[in-house]
Amino acid sequence: GESVGLHLPTLSVQEGDNSIINCAYSNSASDYFIWYKQESGKGPQFIIDIRSNMDKRQGQRVTVLLNKTVKHLSLQIAATQPGDSAVYFCAEMGYGQNFVFGPGTRLSVLP
Amino acid sequence: DSGVTQTPKHLITATGQRVTLRCSPRSGDLSVYWYQQSLDQGLQFLIQYYNGEERAKGNILERFSAQQFPDLHSELNLSSLELGDSALYFCASSVQGGSGNTIYFGEGSWLTVV
Repeated sequence: GESVGLHLPTLSVQEGDNSIINCAYSNSASDYFIWYKQESGKGPQFIIDIRSNMDKRQGQRVTVLLNKTVKHLSLQIAATQPGDSAVYFCAEMGYGQNFVFGPGTRLSVLP
Repeated sequence: DSGVTQTPKHLITATGQRVTLRCSPRSGDLSVYWYQQSLDQGLQFLIQYYNGEERAKGNILERFSAQQFPDLHSELNLSSLELGDSALYFCASSVQGGSGNTIYFGEGSWLTVV
């Protein structure tokens, strides 16, 4: 069945460095992907999305890359800040599907 | 602020009891989703409504039910509660319900069953 997974459950980075959070998906029919950020005790917050007809999309300090060949999605955060510490989820959706969320990666920003 | 409102924010109840969680979607959104998040699990999809009708069902227990009202707000009813039902319950909404529609989450309702 369809599934979304993450390569790394935890990631620690130095403040100011760039962060890369990875995600693998198994359903090649998925055509829409979203990254969410969840801070402790709060709801998932939309960060950035990408459709399958694109391979890269940039936002403010964040970039999402989509490699459909290997079914891989990544979130890059530039100049990571303490406020970026959170759990990051990727989610995929395709026609007739509901969003499938990965287990999440915890990002810890070290001072 | 996502624009999705959930009440109550916290709820403590005893086993065997029944509770109702309420959700108001973002203005203009027709689709409402319910998710459960436990400590040992990620976001588990429970159920989706679109314009008052059930659109999709996920891992929702028979003890749980939901509905979406004409004003588009939604309620999730949890009955015969068990300790394992303790979790964070999220409501999310989107304009429509298909692929390509971003879903926005509320802040969640913390349910503790004692």
